[in-house]
Amino acid sequence: QSVLTQPPSASGTPGQRVTISCSGSSSNIATNIVNWYQQLPGTAPKLLIFNNDRRPSGVPDRFSGSSSGTSASLAISGLQSEDEADYFCATWDDSLNGLMFGGGTTLTVL
Amino acid sequence: QVHLQESGPGLVKPSETLSLICSVSGGSMSNYYWTWIRQPPGKGLEWIGHVYSSGRTNYKESLKSRLTISVDTSKQQFSLKLSSVTAADTAIYYCARGLYYDSSGTFDHWGRETLVTVSS
Repeated sequence: QSVLTQPPSASGTPGQRVTISCSGSSSNIATNIVNWYQQLPGTAPKLLIFNNDRRPSGVPDRFSGSSSGTSASLAISGLQSEDEADYFCATWDDSLNGLMFGGGTTLTVL
Repeated sequence: QVHLQESGPGLVKPSETLSLICSVSGGSMSNYYWTWIRQPPGKGLEWIGHVYSSGRTNYKESLKSRLTISVDTSKQQFSLKLSSVTAADTAIYYCARGLYYDSSGTFDHWGRETLVTVSS
């Protein structure tokens, strides 16, 4: 069981806005940056958001991240079918002295 | 463009040592955190540990006693050795390039998935 809690699933219709949460604690999200990874079926994860709210070059601005207190979230606006994937949050945990990933959220575009 | 490629056996016997190499091309290994991450089939991601280009390492606490990660910048490679494996170590193993600082968890390049199965 991960110290970072994500909903196992999320869904939306094309064009909708979807938010995925990542809940942590004072030893991780509250004091360290959060990154988000997108994993399309059968492929390696891809960096989607880094340093809480920054997008790497090439990531559409439909994807945005935020972090406040012990929680972080990933928002996807203008949902598209190619956004169907697993999404993972990641941050360092000072108590466990290691990088932690959330359990992952499977996004379905209906 | 930076490219990472894992190599190593896809099948390891219980109690033996799992060994993987990640070859890096298209860029220097200097000033990055070369990282191993694994994912049991159908499950989530698990950080295993990393080696900085200087050779300094940081390992997941629960794996420390069995784990060695090392780097050879002259060969543009870094490696993973995990001893005394059990079925619980069966996973897809990824190598990745980490940015910025030790605990940033920011991986901008990943190798392709390598499935390692522990079975007799």
